[in-house]
Amino acid sequence: TQLLEQSPQFLSIQEGENLTVYCNSSSVFSSLQWYRQEPGEGPVLLVTVVTGGEVKKLKRLTFQFGDARKDSSLHITAAQPGDTGLYLCAGIGAAGNKLTFGGGTRVLVKP
Amino acid sequence: DTGVSQDPRHKITKRGQNVTFRCDPISEHNRLYWYRQTLGQGPEFLTYFQNEAQLEKSRLLSDRFSAERPKGSFSTLEIQRTEQGDSAMYLCASSGRQGYGYTFGSGTRLTVV
Repeated sequence: TQLLEQSPQFLSIQEGENLTVYCNSSSVFSSLQWYRQEPGEGPVLLVTVVTGGEVKKLKRLTFQFGDARKDSSLHITAAQPGDTGLYLCAGIGAAGNKLTFGGGTRVLVKP
Repeated sequence: DTGVSQDPRHKITKRGQNVTFRCDPISEHNRLYWYRQTLGQGPEFLTYFQNEAQLEKSRLLSDRFSAERPKGSFSTLEIQRTEQGDSAMYLCASSGRQGYGYTFGSGTRLTVV
């Protein structure tokens, strides 16, 4: 069973501060995705990273895939209250047939 | 196409009753997935269809759970003899290509009382 662990579980910061969320596994994934989920809604895909060492930027969000494709991080610069939500990482194994999710990191950005 | 639709959005049922949820995927997507999410946790995989074939089922899917996708389009998830532990958000997702482009619906929140 491939497991993904996210840390921290909860993060509360002030508007304008930076934050980093980590996603770690002992397994190798063919690709990894990050989602954001609002209360009462389904997860919304933010990014897919495929190549070990890959870095992708989406405005103030920076995503990195570890060299060994076992871990990933999400960094938010100058966080805003609109960044509040549950951030989920999800890995896709070699078979490519399903997503395995981490437990999520709940981010609260206070104005 | 308006994305993945799930119906109902909310369902409250008494313990022991049967419930059925529906998922309409993005029309050109041939892969359809069901996940279950409890409060404060990440989604857990339940089952996966490619077209009408159910290719994988999680051990979480007890014999009280059954899923179908009869014509390779919409899917239903039925839970028989519901238990309080079945209370969760049931999420459906579809994708058109292996490993990419998963789109989730808004989910069906089930409360068993």
